[in-house]
Amino acid sequence: GAGVSQSPSNKVTEKGKDVELRCDPISGHTALYWYRQSLGQGLEFLIYFQGNSAPDKSGLPSDRFSAERTGGSVSTLTIQRTQQEDSAVYLCASSPQGANYGYTFGSGTRLTVV
Amino acid sequence: DQQVKQNSPSLSVQEGRISILNCDYTNSMFDYFLWYKKYPAEGPTFLISISSIKDKNEDGRFTVFLNKSAKHLSLHIVPSQPGDSAVYFCAAPSDRGSTLGRLYFGRGTQLTVWP
Repeated sequence: GAGVSQSPSNKVTEKGKDVELRCDPISGHTALYWYRQSLGQGLEFLIYFQGNSAPDKSGLPSDRFSAERTGGSVSTLTIQRTQQEDSAVYLCASSPQGANYGYTFGSGTRLTVV
Repeated sequence: DQQVKQNSPSLSVQEGRISILNCDYTNSMFDYFLWYKKYPAEGPTFLISISSIKDKNEDGRFTVFLNKSAKHLSLHIVPSQPGDSAVYFCAAPSDRGSTLGRLYFGRGTQLTVWP
């Protein structure tokens, strides 16, 4: 596709359930990022994948959060045992090598934990 | 620990006037800065950037100014248009000299341009 695609666009889940959020980056983009934006907050870094290198997981807030990127393309962010504080818009972005941070973001997944 | 700060959550400007959005940072090692623009229900889009070797970068109606001694940058939009109404985020990369990696974002400023 022409842009970064995220699914679902909205997700309402009950506290304690697991959720999976999907990101399809732009074809050929080697770098993929996950950020989240909670209400009234800036974008918070979660995880970064670059090619075949080990991902930078330094932003994951707890061990309930994990992400993988299969075949250097699609990425899935998994949140286990969701809590109300996990409610946020989860944004995925991709960029080609050497892009000077000109990320292309997807439209995000709005997660609501009730 | 906010390394990039946008202290004004909102700004309202009349169409045709100048909009000035401000950003401060705490880490003197930052050497590159970016502005992103976000409309509701969309992801942020890259707007303009500046390297620390410059103090100004201009792209059409948008100009970013960098004052390294004050650890301050600003985005000027002249003339402002109603379509500029959006949330503007300031950001800086964590890795000096790199072109990839995490960005530190400010909390954003909601710009409203009224006719």
